[in-house]
Amino acid sequence: RKEVEQDPGPFNVPEGATVAFNCTYSNSASQSFFWYRQDCRKEPKLLMSVYSSGNEDGRFTAQLNRASQYISLLIRDSKLSDSATYLCVVTLTNAGKSTFGDGTTLTVKP
Amino acid sequence: DGGITQSPKYLFRKEGQNVTLSCEQNLNHDAMYWYRQDPGQGLRLIYYSQIVNDFQKGDIAEGYSVSREKKESFPLTVTSAQKNPTAFYLCASKGRDYNQPQHFGDGTRLSIL
Repeated sequence: RKEVEQDPGPFNVPEGATVAFNCTYSNSASQSFFWYRQDCRKEPKLLMSVYSSGNEDGRFTAQLNRASQYISLLIRDSKLSDSATYLCVVTLTNAGKSTFGDGTTLTVKP
Repeated sequence: DGGITQSPKYLFRKEGQNVTLSCEQNLNHDAMYWYRQDPGQGLRLIYYSQIVNDFQKGDIAEGYSVSREKKESFPLTVTSAQKNPTAFYLCASKGRDYNQPQHFGDGTRLSIL
């Protein structure tokens, strides 16, 4: 079993739709969580950190469920520019490295 | 501007040749990382370093080598032992606290001639 698992998709949604991605992690000692966005042939860029109480940044909402060991990303009112691959990242407290999921691909269509 | 600079953007390797990819950061970050990404795949960790003069192997270190002589610099050498080096190579850095995210350079695309 992979340490971090994401549904690869692709998710194809119309503009204005709401879409949600889940990411599960296997190590219960994981302590910090992030969502990144990666455009085709570009580097990953931080979208948002994920806090225990959940957090929102405009149209984006991130949630953490420690009991079930998953994080989620909700995108409301999808825009064409949201089309990208979304990576979840999990870090153990004392580990020097993070574990990246393989990503979920989103295509928003007119 | 603070950031991570990778060079070159594109690199071609001949058979039997070693090539070195540069990664420099001016963010004063302690930790630095090298990842490989193949088309349509996720990131795989090659090597990482949490402090100057120390580094650890990642998941796919064979055929690669690194050094960390300065805090700002973490070059990656792709040796001739790496038989399938064609990929997108990404360098990242991170502050000391575990809850800080990694920041990426814009990558180097390596191809075989």
